[in-house]
Amino acid sequence: GAGVSQSPSNKVTEKGKDVELRCDPISGHTALYWYRQSLGQGLEFLIYFQGNSAPDKSGLPSDRFSAERTGGSVSTLTIQRTQQEDSAVYLCASSRLGYGYTFGSGTRLTVV
Amino acid sequence: AQSVTQPDIHITVSEGASLELRCNYSYGATPYLFWYVQSPGQGLQLLLKYFSGDTLVQGIKGFEAEFKRSQSSFNLRKPSVHWSDAAEYFCAVGENQGAQKLVFGQGTRLTINP
Repeated sequence: GAGVSQSPSNKVTEKGKDVELRCDPISGHTALYWYRQSLGQGLEFLIYFQGNSAPDKSGLPSDRFSAERTGGSVSTLTIQRTQQEDSAVYLCASSRLGYGYTFGSGTRLTVV
Repeated sequence: AQSVTQPDIHITVSEGASLELRCNYSYGATPYLFWYVQSPGQGLQLLLKYFSGDTLVQGIKGFEAEFKRSQSSFNLRKPSVHWSDAAEYFCAVGENQGAQKLVFGQGTRLTINP
């Protein structure tokens, strides 16, 4: 596609439920990143994919967070047993080496 | 470890005035530096980037930034701001040309007075 697509754009979930956030990167972009942006905060790195492998998952806050990427394309970020502190905007970005990131519009997650 | 500091959380300027947003980084090797802008409810858009070469880089929307190694700075400038420039601005540093993670500053919120 023309840009990075994220779905859903908004998600409200009850505490304790699992959620899946989806990212469709730009075609041909081999690198894919997930960041989290909490209210009034900067961007917190979560995980980076090169192809289908994740060389750096150091930013995942707990074992409730996991991510996968298939076919070198779509990625899913899963949060299990959501907590209120998980409420944030989750941003996905993709890149081709040497060109910086292109970000999606994000998924706003609200845990109630 | 890399880090980025944006000293100004919030800046207000009048429309037509000049703008400078500050960014200082900490990184041992040659940094790769970026400025992004985020409008309310939107993702981040790349304004400009510095990889090597000329230390004054031009970006979109009339923005420019200057890399000063001696000051570990990469300040963003615009000669005359427009009301549409009101947004959040993020400086970021990376280890290479984009294949690995970027570390972002906390952002500077820009308000434009009419």
